[in-house]
Amino acid sequence: GQNIDQPTEMTATEGAIVQINCTYQTSGFNGLFWYQQHAGEAPTFLSYNVLDGLEEKGRFSSFLSRSKGYSYLLLKELQMKDSASYLCAVLDSNYQLIWGAGTKLIIKP
Amino acid sequence: IAGITQAPTSQILAAGRRMTLRCTQDMRHNAMYWYRQDLGLGLRLIHYSNTAGTTGKGEVPDGYSVSRANTDDFPLTLASAVPSQTSVYFCASSDSSGAFADTQYFGPGTRLTVL
Repeated sequence: GQNIDQPTEMTATEGAIVQINCTYQTSGFNGLFWYQQHAGEAPTFLSYNVLDGLEEKGRFSSFLSRSKGYSYLLLKELQMKDSASYLCAVLDSNYQLIWGAGTKLIIKP
Repeated sequence: IAGITQAPTSQILAAGRRMTLRCTQDMRHNAMYWYRQDLGLGLRLIHYSNTAGTTGKGEVPDGYSVSRANTDDFPLTLASAVPSQTSVYFCASSDSSGAFADTQYFGPGTRLTVL
């Protein structure tokens, strides 16, 4: 079966750094996405990785290791508005997105 | 530019009733999707359409049907609603052409409660 694992919930302090991990086992791999979803809102795109390595975009970075079936999302200089759920999703061999259950990130002042 | 709109925003429905959730996009994306999101679970694909005139079944298609008469609209119909269909429904679209993977853009969602 196909499986995406990420922690259910994490807590961090405003101004700090947090790393949200995602491991996957899918039938094929055509890229990995990270989305942000604030409570009661739609998911919005954050990043896409298809090659190994780190992609940096402002305060957010995403890392991929295809051999390990592993990715992480790194959030720096945390702000209260970063409180949200972060969804990891893998594009499988049929080009369908397989979604993790999401990690709820709580930011404390 | 509206992006993707969904209607209604929320709905309470009696079991056994028929319901159509509407989705319209103005980005001229060729691919569209319907997901349901339940607490503690990832987004689950119900149906998808790679282009106008074609549709396909996702992970949880039972009890749902879709049509794609044109590029912009992708309605989802529950023929006879059951309480297990209580969920938040998201419509999404992407400009997926051939084997090129593109970002999915989501509508604001419809919160459906079936009693």
